[in-house]
Amino acid sequence: GAVVSQHPSRVICKSGTSVKIECRSLDFQATTMFWYRQFPKQSLMLMATSNEGSKATYEQGVEKDKFLINHASLTLSTLTVTSAHPEDSSFYICSASSRLYNEQFFGPGTRLTVL
Amino acid sequence: AQSVTQLDSHVSVSEGTPVLLRCNYSSSYSPSLFWYVQHPNKGLQLLLKYTSAATLVKGINGFEAEFKKSETSFHLTKPSAHMSDAAEYFCVVSDQNQAGTALIFGKGTTLSVSS
Repeated sequence: GAVVSQHPSRVICKSGTSVKIECRSLDFQATTMFWYRQFPKQSLMLMATSNEGSKATYEQGVEKDKFLINHASLTLSTLTVTSAHPEDSSFYICSASSRLYNEQFFGPGTRLTVL
Repeated sequence: AQSVTQLDSHVSVSEGTPVLLRCNYSSSYSPSLFWYVQHPNKGLQLLLKYTSAATLVKGINGFEAEFKKSETSFHLTKPSAHMSDAAEYFCVVSDQNQAGTALIFGKGTTLSVSS
């Protein structure tokens, strides 16, 4: 199967700072990437869907100005958490899909801790 | 609208006994259904998927699931549990078998396996 990586795997930051998380499809071109958020012992909640070269579509209740998503190329999408607060601490997971593969492939996730 | 309900938040079994994780779905369209497993501090792994072909789907590690349209169910089973099966399991639905469609996750079932 296809491989999706995320960087960093863990990040700790101070409240008020911004953090960027990268999601890369290593061996295929991802026409669509998804960003999910998972709170401890809970399910994954879709935050936004991004198609290469266009603006991301955010789910209801997700602040687009706080969670900036950029999908500038077919192999890279970034999620920037701006002015992070402790309540933004969570596990962020991306997935990528393409017309070649009829499924989504998930990255290993990034654990964000905001102090 | 689509949704998925995992009927048990926690299932405990003894090693060597059968596993049953229950899932019911709701979808306006012909659904694609998936089961994912998440081990602690690891990424999501696809166990199996149903995409309108055979109703009995065999996955990795001895797991299988049966799509029952009349019951709107997609229960996950395994004849004999292994200690390494202890993990979080997610039942997932999407409306269409298309790469660009977002996945809707159930709340998850924690499987515990005792020796």
